[in-house]
Amino acid sequence: EADIYQTPRYLVIGTGKKITLECSQTMGHDKMYWYQQDPGMELHLIHYSYGVNSTEKGDLSSESTVSRIRTEHFPLTLESARPSHTSQYLCASSEPRRMDEQFFGPGTRLTVL
Amino acid sequence: RKEVEQDPGPFNVPEGATVAFNCTYSNSASQSFFWYRQDCRKEPKLLMSVYSSGNEDGRFTAQLNRASQYISLLIRDSKLSDSATYLCVVNIYGAGNMLTFGGGTRLMVKP
Repeated sequence: EADIYQTPRYLVIGTGKKITLECSQTMGHDKMYWYQQDPGMELHLIHYSYGVNSTEKGDLSSESTVSRIRTEHFPLTLESARPSHTSQYLCASSEPRRMDEQFFGPGTRLTVL
Repeated sequence: RKEVEQDPGPFNVPEGATVAFNCTYSNSASQSFFWYRQDCRKEPKLLMSVYSSGNEDGRFTAQLNRASQYISLLIRDSKLSDSATYLCVVNIYGAGNMLTFGGGTRLMVKP
């Protein structure tokens, strides 16, 4: 089993609220990723990081922001949630020694009312 | 054109059937390849890596054809528990070594 955790698992929140989705891994991986996935649809990369103090935007434009102050922690923040942000958010990490095989967390299912 | 293309399915097969999925990739610089499995409302999990010589893991066989730029996954003796979405994944070395995920092929195994 991969040692990558996400909290909360489910979040229902009102429009305009600020939210932070937590992601932590204990594998010491340098690379971490955030994906957004709607039900039955494909994964979209929204953010990634090569290591501490590195953050990059992914293929899908997102109003969220990320930070990487510690290797093991890669939180995602939405300053003002909107119904269009309703989706599943999946965090992953990888290491080059394993061909960058990605290990995924269980996801956070976000609903914005 | 997407970098990794898969037939979305669904593939509806009876238990015990053999089913094959193909996936094509557009970047010839792709260096490593994987099949992931994703159950409904769950996270993707690695099913198997795909090696140049092809590899087998129980009922699952993966093949790589670099000349034609496609990867295949063969499932023999399908079980009900094989019902899931299968994601083809490609790693292009160089550009940050990012994995690129296909849209997935949905398999439904019926009794």
